Amino acid sequence: EAGVTQSPRYAVLQEGQAVSFWCDPISGHDTLYWYQQPRDQGPQLLVYFRDEAVIDNSQLPSDRFSAVRPKGTNSTLKIQSAKQGDTATYLCASSFPGTGMNERLFFGHGTKLSVL
Amino acid sequence: QQKVQQSPESLSVPEGGMASLNCTSSDRNFQYFWWYRQHSGEGPKALMSIFSDGDKKEGRFTAHLNKASLHVSLHIRDSQPSDSALYFCAASEWRNNAGAKLTFGGGTRLTVRP
Repeated sequence: EAGVTQSPRYAVLQEGQAVSFWCDPISGHDTLYWYQQPRDQGPQLLVYFRDEAVIDNSQLPSDRFSAVRPKGTNSTLKIQSAKQGDTATYLCASSFPGTGMNERLFFGHGTKLSVL
Repeated sequence: QQKVQQSPESLSVPEGGMASLNCTSSDRNFQYFWWYRQHSGEGPKALMSIFSDGDKKEGRFTAHLNKASLHVSLHIRDSQPSDSALYFCAASEWRNNAGAKLTFGGGTRLTVRP
């Protein structure tokens, strides 16, 4: 079974540039998460979807970040005008429906972003 | 203050030794606790979850939960060099029809010395 696929693996930008990250979750997983992980820190939730609906985007910096999952499968996270503070690894995860509180998240390898 | 706090920040044990990692939560909405492990260049991978008071053992890994104090620990016996990684404690709060929302701690970096 294929895991969670993310692309690109790396991105290097100048401040003010835009970037998009793409995620393909495990087939059949209805919940999709985007996390931001600064170097040597724990992942911090940005946004998550159940099918195509946004469940929680309270931690997403809405002025510059956006995320969509139009058909309830693949998802795109976009940063409009990157800042040096956005330097981090962006992780996508998915989970299988119906397991309740014991939902196990399956993570992709992440996209490592450097903003110069 | 972070809702999920881990200690120590880093830990070094000899091969074959016991590693003990700690995690404390400050939010009583958290009902499930997970341990995830992340090797360099990879995404985190789930090790085990615990919900009930007491111990839960899976192979060389034992998790312990004290719900009264919201303290969780992970003990790794017979540590191997391949266990060297970043370990995260994560707490889950369930929202009806909205899935589980996981909050991660800051991590413990474990090094197993050959």
